[in-house]
Amino acid sequence: AQSVTQLGSHVSVSEGALVLLRCNYSSSVPPYLFWYVQYPNQGLQLLLKYTTGATLVKGINGFEAEFKKSETSFHLTKPSAHMSDAAEYFCAVTGYSTLTFGKGTMLLVSP
Amino acid sequence: DTEVTQTPKHLVMGMTNKKSLKCEQHMGHRAMYWYKQKAKKPPELMFVYSYEKLSINESVPSRFSPECPNSSLLNLHLHALQPEDSALYLCASSQGGEGTEAFFGQGTRLTVV
Repeated sequence: AQSVTQLGSHVSVSEGALVLLRCNYSSSVPPYLFWYVQYPNQGLQLLLKYTTGATLVKGINGFEAEFKKSETSFHLTKPSAHMSDAAEYFCAVTGYSTLTFGKGTMLLVSP
Repeated sequence: DTEVTQTPKHLVMGMTNKKSLKCEQHMGHRAMYWYKQKAKKPPELMFVYSYEKLSINESVPSRFSPECPNSSLLNLHLHALQPEDSALYLCASSQGGEGTEAFFGQGTRLTVV
């Protein structure tokens, strides 16, 4: 069985500040990990993914995440938040067929 | 083309109506999915089609009936829904197989009155 836990249902940052969204996974097999973003009344957009190889993964819109097996973590970061980053972020894990999502973290960005 | 197209974007239906949601992708993906998403919750898997055959049904009530006419199209037929079925319905597709990401459509916002 696989699962992900996102720490913090809401994260608030100021524009220009570092963004850190936390995700820990549980998996009995090597995991494949993803971060998706969802803007209001929209579908989910893939930000980045980790499959194998390099543990630091770069995604779209300046986001990146680091896979740390020893900590079973896959935290999402962005050096400088922009107002347009305000959205819901979902961490997800998959093995062979279907995605298992975390509960989501709402990122709030203030001017 | 990495787009999954869903129609309609919004749908209001009565509890005795029959309606259908449509989803289309032209990425050659062999797996297609229906998800249901309630407000402030993650998407919940409903159905998975693999190579046009239903491979997973997550114990979804029979008032939801999926159909995959061909490898590019996925429908969700709705009949006798309840107000609690109001939600955002998301379609997704993927290559299928180990570790492949899913691409999502914009969703259909369904309101049952």
